[in-house]
Amino acid sequence: QITLKESGPTLVKPTQTLTLTCTFSGFSLSTTGVGVGWIRQPPGKALEWLALIYWDDDTRYSPSLKSRLTVTKDTSKNQVVLTMTNMDPVDTATYYCAHRHLNRGWFDPWGQGTLVIVSS
Amino acid sequence: EIVMTQSPGTLSLSPGERATLSCRASQSVSNNLAWYQQKPGQAPRLLIYGASSRATGIPDRFSGSGSGTDFTLTISRLEPEDFAVYYCQQYFVSPLPFGPGTKVDVK
Repeated sequence: QITLKESGPTLVKPTQTLTLTCTFSGFSLSTTGVGVGWIRQPPGKALEWLALIYWDDDTRYSPSLKSRLTVTKDTSKNQVVLTMTNMDPVDTATYYCAHRHLNRGWFDPWGQGTLVIVSS
Repeated sequence: EIVMTQSPGTLSLSPGERATLSCRASQSVSNNLAWYQQKPGQAPRLLIYGASSRATGIPDRFSGSGSGTDFTLTISRLEPEDFAVYYCQQYFVSPLPFGPGTKVDVK
C-alpha cells in the first residue's frame, strides 16, 4: 500500500523560503520509472501542478514558478523535499504530494495535504 | 503549453440523475487524460485514467470517454457521495495542468 504525507510549517512570512517534506512508504524512489509530484490548491480554488522528481533525479517544474522551485529527493529516507523561495500571500494554499509512474502518468495516490499560510 | 478547460463550472442535479462533465485540451493529448474527484477537506482521488479506465475501487457508474482534445466524464446515476468537485488533467506532456474543475452540487 502506497502512502504519502506532507509536512512543514503552517505559517511563513512574506519573502521567506518554504520547505516542505513528503514522506512516503510502499514504493522506492530508486525504482525505475517512479516519481513524486507536488500540487497545490489555494483556498476555494483549483489544483495547480508545481513540480515532479523522478527516480533518476530528472525534475520538471511549472513554467510560471520554475525560478522559485526546487525539488530534491532522499532515497534512503523515502522523502522528497520541495523548496519555494520568496513566498507571497498568494502562495497560501494546501500543498499536496502524490505518487506518479513515468509509464502511467497520472497521480495516485495523494497525500492528505498540508496548509501553508503566508502572512506577516 | 497545454491549457485545460472544463464545463460547466457548476452542475446542479438531484440524486439519481445523470451527470455529464466536459473537459477540453488546447491541443491533442491522445488518451492521456485523468479525472479526479475531490470532496471538501479531502485530497483529490483518482477516478479515471487513460481517458476511460476506472481506477481501482471506482464504481461502474463512473465512466470516461474521448480522445484527442475532447473528453467526457459521466456519472450514470448520482449517489449522495458523488456530490463533489471533479478535475481533469492531461499527462501527455509536461507541464501537467489541471482543468479549473466542475462542481456537482445538489439541486
